[in-house]
Amino acid sequence: NAGVMQNPRHLVRRRGQEARLRCSPMKGHSHVYWYRQLPEEGLKFMVYLQKENIIDESGMPKERFSAEFPKEGPSILRIQQVVRGDSAAYFCASSPTGHRAAYEQYFGPGTRLTVT
Amino acid sequence: DAKTTQPNSMESNEEEPVHLPCNHSTISGTDYIHWYRQLPSQGPEYVIHGLTSNVNNRMASLAIAEDRKSSTLILHRATLRDAAVYYCILRDMKTSYDKVIFGPGTSLSVIP
Repeated sequence: NAGVMQNPRHLVRRRGQEARLRCSPMKGHSHVYWYRQLPEEGLKFMVYLQKENIIDESGMPKERFSAEFPKEGPSILRIQQVVRGDSAAYFCASSPTGHRAAYEQYFGPGTRLTVT
Repeated sequence: DAKTTQPNSMESNEEEPVHLPCNHSTISGTDYIHWYRQLPSQGPEYVIHGLTSNVNNRMASLAIAEDRKSSTLILHRATLRDAAVYYCILRDMKTSYDKVIFGPGTSLSVIP
């Protein structure tokens, strides 16, 4: 059973460009979470999605960031007009059910975004 | 989610047992205790979780105090590969959301 897959693993963008990060959850998982880890900082929750629905986006920056998890295909985290402060590792996780605290989340290897 | 307190860092000798403590004095009756770890340059990895009783799996053991205000993650024989940041996290089964709130964790160094 393949784990959570993220691509690309490394992404370099110039200021003002767009970054698209993709996440394929584990087979059978319909819940996806995105987290961000800034250099030398801890992991911060960004957004929680189910298929075609955003459930909790309380950790998303108000501007330039969006996420989707379509009926078919991977979840996408999109960052428009990137700035240097967006440079970070972005991790995706999935879980087998929406309920809840009894279940672990499985994390992908992350996408390391560098904005030059 | 209720707050947890962990030491910032710990050291262990290779092949020795390691006991990683976590205090959670404000834990509620519906909070599960989860442990994750993050190896350098990797994503977090689930280690173990429990509610009231001690738990064992192939990676570690979780000892939960009788009053549930503290817990200890036990690595029975530390290897160099166990050097990581270990996060103790409480997750409320009543919450509407599944997000995991990570604290600073304990950075474990393993000395050969």
